[in-house]
Amino acid sequence: KQEVTQIPAALSVPEGENLVLNCSFTDSAIYNLQWFRQDPGKGLTSLLLIQSSQREQTSGRLNASLDKSSGRSTLYIAASQPGDSATYLCAVKDDYKLSFGAGTTVTVRA
Amino acid sequence: DVKVTQSSRYLVKRTGEKVFLECVQDMDHENMFWYRQDPGLGLRLIYFSYDVKMKEKGDIPEGYSVSREKKERFSLILESASTNQTSMYLCASSVQTYEQYFGPGTRLTVT
Repeated sequence: KQEVTQIPAALSVPEGENLVLNCSFTDSAIYNLQWFRQDPGKGLTSLLLIQSSQREQTSGRLNASLDKSSGRSTLYIAASQPGDSATYLCAVKDDYKLSFGAGTTVTVRA
Repeated sequence: DVKVTQSSRYLVKRTGEKVFLECVQDMDHENMFWYRQDPGLGLRLIYFSYDVKMKEKGDIPEGYSVSREKKERFSLILESASTNQTSMYLCASSVQTYEQYFGPGTRLTVT
């Protein structure tokens, strides 16, 4: 059974600092890995998708890396802003479904 | 733009009632999913569908059923609502192994 872990569970940084969020998974036989953002009481917004054959994906200030063999992914958010405050979830797709981590709750202090 | 909509943002029902949660996507996606999200337990898959009239159980199907009569619509049914089904329900859709797109969620309270 796939287990997905996100560390740390919570993070508080001053505005402008770079954010590093970690995700690890136990079974490397995955199709892809997806990073999501969730605001309180809302649905999930897809940020980045990395296919299993890829090493990284970039979108604006966001960069996600994938090391499938070691079961790790890292989401980097450059020059954080208060609007980046949210919970960030990673999910790995194996077979038919996504397995989610518990998330990292980020607070960016102005 | 990709869009997944859910019929209600907030819903309050009584124990024993039959509850319908509707999800509609406008992207012609084959796959549709229902999850529930609870504090401390994260997101858990209830059911998914990979085609019209096809359905598969996820991790926690007990107490739920689903219906997919049209490609764009996937319904979650609580046959007899119970208080332990109070939760946030999230619908998602996808094409094959590509990214899943989520709806805004339905916060269901069963009293």
